[in-house]
Amino acid sequence: NAGVTQTPKFQVLKTGQSMTLQCAQDMNHEYMSWYRQDPGMGLRLIHYSVGAGITDQGEVPNGYNVSRSTTEDFPLRLLSAAPSQTSVYFCASSYSKGQALSYTFGSGTRLTVV
Amino acid sequence: DQQVKQNSPSLSVQEGRISILNCDYTNSMFDYFLWYKKYPAEGPTFLISISSIKDKNEDGRFTVFLNKSAKHLSLHIVPSQPGDSAVYFCAASAQSGANNLFFGTGTRLTVIP
Repeated sequence: NAGVTQTPKFQVLKTGQSMTLQCAQDMNHEYMSWYRQDPGMGLRLIHYSVGAGITDQGEVPNGYNVSRSTTEDFPLRLLSAAPSQTSVYFCASSYSKGQALSYTFGSGTRLTVV
Repeated sequence: DQQVKQNSPSLSVQEGRISILNCDYTNSMFDYFLWYKKYPAEGPTFLISISSIKDKNEDGRFTVFLNKSAKHLSLHIVPSQPGDSAVYFCAASAQSGANNLFFGTGTRLTVIP
């Protein structure tokens, strides 16, 4: 089925380890983004990309890196994991057409840093 | 600072009755608003949206109302069904920018059979 695929679904890291959360979409959307969701808070934007080769910071970018070498993929890298990065991470792709804006989210990656 | 606020963390409604979920925003540049529904262990799924050029949008049992002067929107679900039980997020975007979404903190709706 078309959509946004995130891997892995669950991950436990030790403090200081690095890892990459994968995100792929097959809808040919130019715009992709990463959010994190913490208890009692809404989704907060980490990084986003408006097209291949273009990335920018969101609301909470510290400790994360992204790249966008293709339209389909937008990986999120944790450089040195910290307990504060324990969260659920959602990737999204979107497009806008006229007044309409359409977002599709992946099913999430639950990350625990110990 | 939270630009989109959902001040009610939870709401319980009897099956068949109306559910009203509220959302306030502070950024006057927001011109597109969306509601998402989220079940545990799943990503948010799109429910309904509204552009700032409208004050109402309907889709089946779901209606969103927008009051720009009050910077307030609401989602009405009529009639409410047990399957509607989920967390509902309000989100806003300024289409003059990069279309980034700003989310509220969510309202957990419980529909009691």
